[in-house]
Amino acid sequence: DQQVKQNSPSLSVQEGRISILNCDYTNSMFDYFLWYKKYPAEGPTFLISISSIKDKNEDGRFTVFLNKSAKHLSLHIVPSQPGDSAVYFCAASLPYYLSNTGNQFYFGTGTSLTVIP
Amino acid sequence: ETGVTQTPRHLVMGMTNKKSLKCEQHLGHNAMYWYKQSAKKPLELMFVYNFKEQTENNSVPSRFSPECPNSSHLFLHLHTLQPEDSALYLCASSQDAIAGAGGGHNEQFFGPGTRLTVL
Repeated sequence: DQQVKQNSPSLSVQEGRISILNCDYTNSMFDYFLWYKKYPAEGPTFLISISSIKDKNEDGRFTVFLNKSAKHLSLHIVPSQPGDSAVYFCAASLPYYLSNTGNQFYFGTGTSLTVIP
Repeated sequence: ETGVTQTPRHLVMGMTNKKSLKCEQHLGHNAMYWYKQSAKKPLELMFVYNFKEQTENNSVPSRFSPECPNSSHLFLHLHTLQPEDSALYLCASSQDAIAGAGGGHNEQFFGPGTRLTVL
């Protein structure tokens, strides 16, 4: 059963506009969330994270919002640039005391973002 | 070499072959992971090693056999695979949860992956 879901497999946005990528999760015990970005022929690279004690974390053009009551998080990219075109994965993690490994991530299926020049 | 490297980048093998995937991390981490990424599926965690000890095996078939000789190297030995095992196999590393900051959550650094095709 998939605990982290990204229901939009793809998204196209004009350069300069805002990109909003969405992620839903089912396990209310998740306490840490991350976004990874993946270019073709490369491994995923860490982009931004948020702890469940916060509802927003911002890093330059990237902002992650967390709505715990809705079990929903989103990644906002503004302004979007052509170099942002990639697959974006949402991931969630349990507290270490609830995980055998202490650092296991549950990933979504990814959203492919295309930023049109 | 920096970061996490994986070899080979591409592998084609028959169902009766035996092959191995190699991962090396140059980040001083002590936890390493194998993931499988199939088309339209989320990354599936296969194995986790903390300080060279296997701490997670997510019901992976025995035709996949991991080996972690030291905290910098991780192997995935493959034998008698099936065509449905064709996928991108990703290796990752991180500081282990106990030693890391942030309440036990440490960013995982991924290698570029090995694209495996089983004929």
